[in-house]
Amino acid sequence: QVQLVQSGPEVKKPGASVKVSCKASGYTFTSYGIWWVRQAPGQSLEWMGWIHPGNGYTKHSEKFQGRVTITRDTFASTAYMELSSLTYEDTAMYYCSRIILSTVDSDYWGQGTLVTVSS
Amino acid sequence: QFVLTQPPSASGTPGQRVTISCSGTSSNIGNNLVVWYQQLPGTAPKLLIHSKNERPSGVPDRFSGSKSGTSASLAITGLQSGDEAAYYCATWDDSLKEVIFGGGTQLTVL
Repeated sequence: QVQLVQSGPEVKKPGASVKVSCKASGYTFTSYGIWWVRQAPGQSLEWMGWIHPGNGYTKHSEKFQGRVTITRDTFASTAYMELSSLTYEDTAMYYCSRIILSTVDSDYWGQGTLVTVSS
Repeated sequence: QFVLTQPPSASGTPGQRVTISCSGTSSNIGNNLVVWYQQLPGTAPKLLIHSKNERPSGVPDRFSGSKSGTSASLAITGLQSGDEAAYYCATWDDSLKEVIFGGGTQLTVL
């Protein structure tokens, strides 16, 4: 069965970076995209970007220009999202999800990784 | 604040029909397909209506989506207590060149 398993919760200081992993199983990793979406406490969903594991193409939201890096390791069927220069406003649950290419249909989601920015 | 506008809340009694709207512009809903996600408390979002306006396997036919011009709607019939959740619309925006979500609608079953 399709599964996306994310890395554990993180606590970071302002100005630091965080890297969240998303290990996929149960399907051909390179045949679907991976989204990264975050959700601040009590807030809506916010699209951060995506990667095509097959060719490495990435696209991120302009809101995170210069701060987000999305990568993948096809041998490990794992996608990564690194966010730098963290501020308190980056405290949120971060989700990865599988995306059907050329659509906005995200049919499987990871369990979420809570990133807390605290001094 | 959000490019896609949803009412922050909606409510209904068991068995009722409720609709949730999602209003956009010609650069997003007007020119692209819309999907709906359901997020139960404390869980990850779940695809409820996909871009072909159909339900993924396992989603009851009580849920349906529609689109007209620059607006989309999610309809839920035969409301159940288990439908209490946040509902989000999403689509691609041609101007922003990125995926956008609505602000979300919290559905309460009275």
